[in-house]
Amino acid sequence: QSVLTQPPSVSAAPGQKVTISCSGSNSNIENNYVSWYQQLPGTAPKLLIYDNNKRPSGVPDRFSGSKSGTSATLGITGLQTGDEADYYCGTWDSSLSAGVFGGGTKVTVL
Amino acid sequence: QVQLVESGGGVVQPGRSLRVSCAASGFTFNTYAMHWVRQAPGKGLEWVAVISFDGNNKYYADSVKGRFTISRDNSENTVYLQMNSLTAEDTGVYHCARSSRWLQLGADLWGRGTLVTVSS
Repeated sequence: QSVLTQPPSVSAAPGQKVTISCSGSNSNIENNYVSWYQQLPGTAPKLLIYDNNKRPSGVPDRFSGSKSGTSATLGITGLQTGDEADYYCGTWDSSLSAGVFGGGTKVTVL
Repeated sequence: QVQLVESGGGVVQPGRSLRVSCAASGFTFNTYAMHWVRQAPGKGLEWVAVISFDGNNKYYADSVKGRFTISRDNSENTVYLQMNSLTAEDTGVYHCARSSRWLQLGADLWGRGTLVTVSS
């Protein structure tokens, strides 16, 4: 049981948009920065979004992040087959004094 | 080349110990906090531990507290994870990752991981 809650899967056709939610609490999401990671099959996680809504250089602007209260959202527009992967949200939990991740969301391009 | 390379994984019997390492290169290692994150087969990411840039502060997941110890050698650009009293639940790929901020999870560089299998 993960501290952060994500939907197990989302899907859409190529070119469409998907959003992935990440629900937490005031000890984690509300009072700390949220980051998002993409994990392609058999590879290490890759940072997609940091500080709630910032993209590292090289990450396309099709990927966006937002945060409101105890929830965060990752958006992917112009969906491509190469976006099929597992996506994780993560943050620090000030009550646990520990890092926490969501359970992951599998994105399928139909 | 900016990279993190883990090593030291393998098959170990329940109750035994193992130390995994993560060698950093291509960046100023002693300015980053370092995390260990593991992934059981077919499962999601689980944060394990973090150590501050100078090694003076450390935090652990409850699932490993008292059994695992994170440490670093800034002269060798290496971070370690000493794992004692291993159980089958510790099986997985262990990744190291760096973050530029203390007590924030934004990890912008990850290693490919080293596989630890706990089995008799």
